Amino acid sequence: KNEVEQSPQNLTAQEGEFITINCSYSVGISALHWLQQHPGGGIVSLFMLSSGKKKHGRLIATINIQEKHSSLHITASHPRDSAVYICAVYKETSGSRLTFGEGTQLTVNP
Amino acid sequence: GAVVSQHPSWVICKSGTSVKIECRSLDFQATTMFWYRQFPKQSLMLMATSNEGSKATYEQGVEKDKFLINHASLTLSTLTVTSAHPEDSSFYICSARGGSYSNQPQHFGDGTRLSIL
Repeated sequence: KNEVEQSPQNLTAQEGEFITINCSYSVGISALHWLQQHPGGGIVSLFMLSSGKKKHGRLIATINIQEKHSSLHITASHPRDSAVYICAVYKETSGSRLTFGEGTQLTVNP
Repeated sequence: GAVVSQHPSWVICKSGTSVKIECRSLDFQATTMFWYRQFPKQSLMLMATSNEGSKATYEQGVEKDKFLINHASLTLSTLTVTSAHPEDSSFYICSARGGSYSNQPQHFGDGTRLSIL
């Protein structure tokens, strides 16, 4: 079993829909990253959080440390949001190394 | 936000050639840089961690003599794939982290797609 699991693995939505991607982890962490990998391969760090909630534009990330769970929400989704979204954690025992989830492939159709 | 520049973005070369990939932090000092390899449809696999001015720490199974990493300054790290062979073809991506705390955010480059003929 992976230490970081994401669901769903694949997600197809219509433009304008509200999207949620989930991340569960089974280890103690100091922080969690949400990353976006574009079709060309480049990776953008969307959020790093260790508690509560963060918002940037149409993106919202939440984390519940007690439940070991984080969610990434996209409001009013757009075709340009199509990408792979990756959850990655800093394990308490691994210093600066990130442990990655398998990613969620999001496709938003016009 | 912080910008990491990776160059080149795409390389095609003959078997036996050595290929150098550069990773630069443009607007911050990168105390630590990370090199990853990614196969199609798979997650990122950490190859090595480098701290400025010291030798890189390689992950188990990664050949040090094959993948040479240099982190000579706080803004530049290089990965050299020596005597590359077709099995080295992959997507390589770097990230950089500033500061001294282990959970500082990592900022990623756009990656290098390496094809060895």
